[in-house]
Amino acid sequence: GDSVTQMEGPVTLSEEAFLTINCTYTATGYPSLFWYVQYPGEGLQLLLKATKADDKGSNKGFEATYRKETTSFHLEKGSVQVSDSAVYFCALSDPSGGYQKVTFGTGTKLQVIP
Amino acid sequence: DAGITQSPRHKVTETGTPVTLRCHQTENHRYMYWYRQDPGHGLRLIHYSYGVKDTDKGEVSDGYSVSRSKTEDFLLTLESATSSQTSVYFCAIMSGQASTDTQYFGPGTRLTVL
Repeated sequence: GDSVTQMEGPVTLSEEAFLTINCTYTATGYPSLFWYVQYPGEGLQLLLKATKADDKGSNKGFEATYRKETTSFHLEKGSVQVSDSAVYFCALSDPSGGYQKVTFGTGTKLQVIP
Repeated sequence: DAGITQSPRHKVTETGTPVTLRCHQTENHRYMYWYRQDPGHGLRLIHYSYGVKDTDKGEVSDGYSVSRSKTEDFLLTLESATSSQTSVYFCAIMSGQASTDTQYFGPGTRLTVL
């Protein structure tokens, strides 16, 4: 079945540091890939997505490239801010799953300190 | 903002009591989902719906039932709440075309079962 594995947190960085959160996946079909962000006390918000191999999703300075050869979708940001502190979820949507199934990773907590 | 609301936002109840959570959407989406979020588990699918009166089980459906009598409303019922059902519950909809479908989430309901 489909699965998503992302690096365990928490990840603690100083402001303006470079961020990488690793995500790898297994899927039976040709999935779309997503990063969601969850701020304390809130629901998940879509951060970015990529729908086919070699696509790059980007938003608010975050980027991730769909790498089919390594089955990866790592999240990066060149310079993090305190306001980026949140939990980040990698996810895939596999249309071959029948019911528009979405599979989530367990989340990575990011803490950015001033 | 995909026009998703959840009610109540917080609830404290006692073991053995019935509880119903409501998800309401305003954009006529076909697919709706209920997830629970627990530390270390990410998001786990409870039930989903693919149309009015069309529902099916997810990976953690035991102890839960759902109903969808109108497109805009998807209800999650705990027939007899247990302490293991203490969690944060999120509703989601699926938006977009088949190959690029994206889930959008409501703000969540925090349920405590004493």
